[in-house]
Amino acid sequence: DGGITQSPKYLFRKEGQNVTLSCEQNLNHDAMYWYRQDPGQGLRLIYYSQIVNDFQKGDIAEGYSVSREKKESFPLTVTSAQKNPTAFYLCASTDGDGYEQYFGPGTRLTVT
Amino acid sequence: AQSVAQPEDQVNVAEGNPLTVKCTYSVSGNPYLFWYVQYPNRGLQFLLKYITGDNLVKGSYGFEAEFNKSQTSFHLKKPSALVSDSALYFCAVRDMSVDSNYQLIWGAGTKLIIKP
Repeated sequence: DGGITQSPKYLFRKEGQNVTLSCEQNLNHDAMYWYRQDPGQGLRLIYYSQIVNDFQKGDIAEGYSVSREKKESFPLTVTSAQKNPTAFYLCASTDGDGYEQYFGPGTRLTVT
Repeated sequence: AQSVAQPEDQVNVAEGNPLTVKCTYSVSGNPYLFWYVQYPNRGLQFLLKYITGDNLVKGSYGFEAEFNKSQTSFHLKKPSALVSDSALYFCAVRDMSVDSNYQLIWGAGTKLIIKP
């Protein structure tokens, strides 16, 4: 089955630790995205990548970092500099036409 | 500035009644419009899109949406609601700015509650 996988589904970390969220797709999509979702709010774009080895900051990139070494993979690192990291994180990808985005199941990160 | 508005935080509908979830947009040029649904603790699922053509777009799970250019709206509709339609619904429009790389601009979401 083609799709996007995110792991783990739930992640718990202590404050001050960096943590990396995984996102893998086998849809052969060029573009990939990371969003943050907080309760009662819509999606906010963290980073996106249009092609391998290239990525751009979204609206709330501070405290996050990404890499795009392979077309299939777009991991997100939540650093200790992110002041409020507890949230639901969604990864998405889109095909060359750039129409609808396909989403992974999400990772719920809790930092205490 | 380009934007999407979902004016209702929550919509309550009795099972079997028609439902409407509202969305208005502001974008330069011809809009590309989308509706997504999110069930609790899940990713978003694509429902339908309007790119061009017929103003009434049919999508998954019996949903449809009507594009109204004069009112800049793209309301989501279903003739007969099911309890299983209860979820969070997002409207989005493609950012047509030159430097946007065609990102999507998202509405804040509308919680749809269908009561038995």
